[in-house]
Amino acid sequence: IAGITQAPTSQILAAGRRMTLRCTQDMRHNAMYWYRQDLGLGLRLIHYSNTAGTTGKGEVPDGYSVSRANTDDFPLTLASAVPSQTSVYFCASSEGSGGNGYTFGSGTRLTVV
Amino acid sequence: GQNIDQPTEMTATEGAIVQINCTYQTSGFNGLFWYQQHAGEAPTFLSYNVLDGLEEKGRFSSFLSRSKGYSYLLLKELQMKDSASYLCAVQDSNYQLIWGAGTKLIIKP
Repeated sequence: IAGITQAPTSQILAAGRRMTLRCTQDMRHNAMYWYRQDLGLGLRLIHYSNTAGTTGKGEVPDGYSVSRANTDDFPLTLASAVPSQTSVYFCASSEGSGGNGYTFGSGTRLTVV
Repeated sequence: GQNIDQPTEMTATEGAIVQINCTYQTSGFNGLFWYQQHAGEAPTFLSYNVLDGLEEKGRFSSFLSRSKGYSYLLLKELQMKDSASYLCAVQDSNYQLIWGAGTKLIIKP
């Protein structure tokens, strides 16, 4: 592993199903983030974690939950998927307040039907 | 509310220079970032400005004016591989990034 690994790469999910998107980093960054990216819109923050054991809500948290049991892993769970959650999901991490930039995973393309 | 504005799309010629502008209105300011995103890929970090002025990195330069809420990314000696979306993002008073929708840059031979 080098950087951030996301899984799966893509997924088609039936509405109402539960789904967990996985994110693992090996850079020992304290802060981690989940974004969704939709055509014509900027990246929107779903949830974040400034350090292991803490999480916070971003701009669009409804319908999503996260956990941060350790430094490396930051899974995102959709409890009951809806079509409006069709999007590309990016996990990112940063060292400290992010002045050196955020490192992004390669993304998960999720389609809810 | 918080807002980041940048043009939706720009076209330039290989070998030329292009300037992508970004204006912002945010709750506080702790830095401005530029990212490059090729189609179907993750954003990659290009530059970070926290003080006024120009930061140069090879063919890419980024400028910031905090009093005007304005930044630009300057790309010189354009290459076909520079065809991508360029994302402007501002770190607000809570150190959260607010993102623009991105500027799609099309490079023509």
